[in-house]
Amino acid sequence: DIVMTQSPDSLAVSLGARATINCKSSQSVFHSSTHENHLAWYQQKPGQPPKLLIYGASTRESGVPDRFSGSGSATDFSLTISGLQAEDVSVYYCQQYYSLPRTFGQGTKVEIK
Amino acid sequence: QVQLVQSGTEVKKPGASVKVSCKTSGYSFTDYHLHWVRQAPGQGLQWVGCINPKTGGTYYGQNFQGRVTMTSDTSISTGYLDLTSLTSDDTAVFYCIRETWYFGDWGQGTLVTVSS
Repeated sequence: DIVMTQSPDSLAVSLGARATINCKSSQSVFHSSTHENHLAWYQQKPGQPPKLLIYGASTRESGVPDRFSGSGSATDFSLTISGLQAEDVSVYYCQQYYSLPRTFGQGTKVEIK
Repeated sequence: QVQLVQSGTEVKKPGASVKVSCKTSGYSFTDYHLHWVRQAPGQGLQWVGCINPKTGGTYYGQNFQGRVTMTSDTSISTGYLDLTSLTSDDTAVFYCIRETWYFGDWGQGTLVTVSS
């Protein structure tokens, strides 16, 4: 199984500041047939299902604000929120869809400082 | 638009079984795998398994093997999750998800509470 490890577990950021979440996979999730990293990011607010933000490590889902960006390749990835807004307070998860079983990071809670 | 509508809250006793349904619409049911994910209160996301509605083929997470069965009824575009021998550790929200490689479309979640 591919183990996904996020850091930090939580972070507090001032409104308008940058928040960066890291995600490391135990093996490469770069898929040679699609030439993409099979890595997605999700945002979850209390009482709601997770919402897809980023797929292919760096492609924003339709409708996702451009302050959200993803980067990285192979085993090391990041999600950056540039200019944190109050509505961004959530838990964020990375997930690999390279192989079964699908696995998620443990989640990172983002709060306002 | 794509919709996944799950069945309602369940309360079960330890040792019982639960069956959760996921009615889909807005897409061709047999063209996409259906996955299930568990989320215990205050905890993260744990993959349960998936089913290919076209073939009926399934793949279950190791933590659930022997207790879980996923099925689908293509005539009504609905997937089902059966979980047996419930314990308090199974108290959680279960989500069904349409996979388009990644998890773009989620059901609203079904709360299963296991309590004596």
